[in-house]
Amino acid sequence: DAKTTQPNSMESNEEEPVHLPCNHSTISGTDYIHWYRQLPSQGPEYVIHGLTSNVNNRMASLAIAEDRKSSTLILHRATLRDAAVYYCILRANNAGNMLTFGGGTRLMVKP
Amino acid sequence: DAGITQSPRHKVTETGTPVTLRCHQTENHRYMYWYRQDPGHGLRLIHYSYGVKDTDKGEVSDGYSVSRSKTEDFLLTLESATSSQTSVYFCASSREAGANVLTFGAGSRLTVL
Repeated sequence: DAKTTQPNSMESNEEEPVHLPCNHSTISGTDYIHWYRQLPSQGPEYVIHGLTSNVNNRMASLAIAEDRKSSTLILHRATLRDAAVYYCILRANNAGNMLTFGGGTRLMVKP
Repeated sequence: DAGITQSPRHKVTETGTPVTLRCHQTENHRYMYWYRQDPGHGLRLIHYSYGVKDTDKGEVSDGYSVSRSKTEDFLLTLESATSSQTSVYFCASSREAGANVLTFGAGSRLTVL
């Protein structure tokens, strides 16, 4: 399975935009890019996903590089509640996908 | 969202005893996963299932077995618990692979003394 690389931690100020990067240089053509986040003492929760085009939903935006070897999760206005570990994972469209999570990025939001 | 529940939510046991954690989902999802989470290691895949009686090993499967006799239930068994298996265990499910999102349970905290 293709791997992802994310910074260990990032810091942001409240109400400012946050750009969380993810590198996935060995991504295959059928891999979807998923983002999940885990708030303290909770299970991970879905944030957004995409294949080739940029995606927007009520939580965030996902910008995917043209060569698909990297992507960026964009939180438009960080709140204290957005402090979490953010995971970027690749999800193949086949039964054998192990779905491996990396270490994720710990986002700290300062008031 | 899928209804996905884990039981028990908390368990304390002694070394050498068998332990079974249960994951139950009500959305008829095909895929189910068991992860463990430890400080400094993030989420690590133990076993996964892509259908009834179809299971495979993840990256940290030693000491664990799983069974999936029904679509809705995915059981994780520690035949003889060890202190190194003290962890928080998360179950997840999804309808299909690829674009289908994962829904996670709330976690089961296991302490092996």
